[in-house]
Amino acid sequence: QSALTQPASVSGSPGQSITISCTGTSSDVGGYNYVSWYQQHPGKAPKLMIYDVSNRPSGVSNRFSGSKSGNTASLTISGLQAEDEADYYCSSYTSSSTYVVFGGGTKLTVL
Amino acid sequence: QVQLVQSGAEVKKPGASVKVSCKASGYTFTSYGISWVRQAPGQGLEWMGWISAYNGNTNYAQKLQGRVTMTTDTSTSTAYMELRSLRSDDTAVYYCARGSTVTTSDYWGQGTLVTVSS
Repeated sequence: QSALTQPASVSGSPGQSITISCTGTSSDVGGYNYVSWYQQHPGKAPKLMIYDVSNRPSGVSNRFSGSKSGNTASLTISGLQAEDEADYYCSSYTSSSTYVVFGGGTKLTVL
Repeated sequence: QVQLVQSGAEVKKPGASVKVSCKASGYTFTSYGISWVRQAPGQGLEWMGWISAYNGNTNYAQKLQGRVTMTTDTSTSTAYMELRSLRSDDTAVYYCARGSTVTTSDYWGQGTLVTVSS
C-alpha cells in the first residue's frame, strides 16, 4: 500500500484536459511544498514533469501543470496528445523517517 | 549533456549482496546529490535513499536501514548503491537519479535489473 493515493487509471480524448490527483496527509503533501510528478513510458526510466508542486523543468511542455490544495496535489495535462499516454507518479517529502514517499501510480490512456 | 549510466543486470541468490554503480557525466558531480529508486516488476516506484555527492551525507528509507549503503567516488563521478541480505522481494529495476534535493530527481539512469532467485 502506497503512502500517497492516486487513481489507478484516467483517460481522455486527444485535445481534452485531464487531472490526476495525489492525496496524502498533513505529514507529507499537506505540510510541505515538495511535491513532484514523474511520467514513465513502458520500459523507460521516469521523467520529471513537475517539482515543488507547480514548477516545470526546462524542456517540459507547458501543457503540464501542477497545483495543491490541502492534502491533495494535482497534475493537469491540457491538450492531450497520444504521446502523453504513460504512467504518472507523484512523490512528496514526508516528515516520517522515510523522507520521500511515492503514489501508487496512475495509468493515463489517450482514447 | 547530463548522463547517468548504470552497471549491467545482476542475478543474485537470497542472502547475497549486490552493488550497483551509476556513472555521471555532463555536470559538476559534487553540486548535486544522487537518489536511488527501485521498481519491482509491474509495480510502482519506491524511494530508497539519497546521498549528497558534496559531503557524502545520506538519507535512507526506514525499511532499508541496515541493509543499504550509498556511497560516491568523486574522482570518477560515480555513485554506488549496495544492498545486502537480498530477498526475493528485492527483485526490481534499480534507478539512480540526479537530485538537487532529496525530493527532486531531474535526470535518471537507464535502470539496472537485479534478480534475486535461488
